[in-house]
Amino acid sequence: EIVLTQSPGTLSLSPGERATLSCRASQSVSSSYLAWYQQKPGQAPRLLIYGASSRATGIPDRFSGSGSGTDFTLTISRLEPEDFAVYYCQQYGSSQFTFGPGTKVDIK
Amino acid sequence: QVQLQESGPGLVKPSGTLSLTCAVSGGSISSSNWWSWVRQPPGKGLEWIGEIYHSGSTNYNPSLKSRVTISVDKSKNQFSLKLSSVTAADTAVYYCARTHTYYYDSSGYPYLDYWGQGTLVTVSS
Repeated sequence: EIVLTQSPGTLSLSPGERATLSCRASQSVSSSYLAWYQQKPGQAPRLLIYGASSRATGIPDRFSGSGSGTDFTLTISRLEPEDFAVYYCQQYGSSQFTFGPGTKVDIK
Repeated sequence: QVQLQESGPGLVKPSGTLSLTCAVSGGSISSSNWWSWVRQPPGKGLEWIGEIYHSGSTNYNPSLKSRVTISVDKSKNQFSLKLSSVTAADTAVYYCARTHTYYYDSSGYPYLDYWGQGTLVTVSS
């Protein structure tokens, strides 16, 4: 089973700053199978990025994904007030999905 | 616009069976998509439980496989989750979601794109 690790656990930033979130896999993951989700309190997760770097429908271009192999990154170029949330990476392999533990982006 | 709505008891006794249903609207459950269940214990992260195709084919999280059954009812456009022998550790918000695979240039990109609002199930006597 592939295990995903996310860092940092919490990222404290101010609006307008750049956020860089890391997702590391215990073994190589196909870029096609790596996705990122945003979750706000009391809400269901929302798909942001699929295929490691493709934005989902309606996702602003300040969100970008990159990476390959075992190291993937979600970047938010300039944080807006509505971006403070928890972010999860997720991979698909061996007919199952697994999620990382999440990174909380909170207001500094 | 596809919409999903979970329903079922909010309280289940220990050793009992948790049963939830997800009603799909705005699209057919017989489309070329799988349908998933995901859970989230209070204050914790997401755990994928399993998925089903309209044919009845299933994939389960190996850590839960012995206790999980996911089924589909095409006539009602819904799918269901049963989790047996529950304990307090199964207390969580349970979400249903659509598993979609986008195909481009001979590659498939699977992800969970539509989600229900979630329903809290508490395991307690």
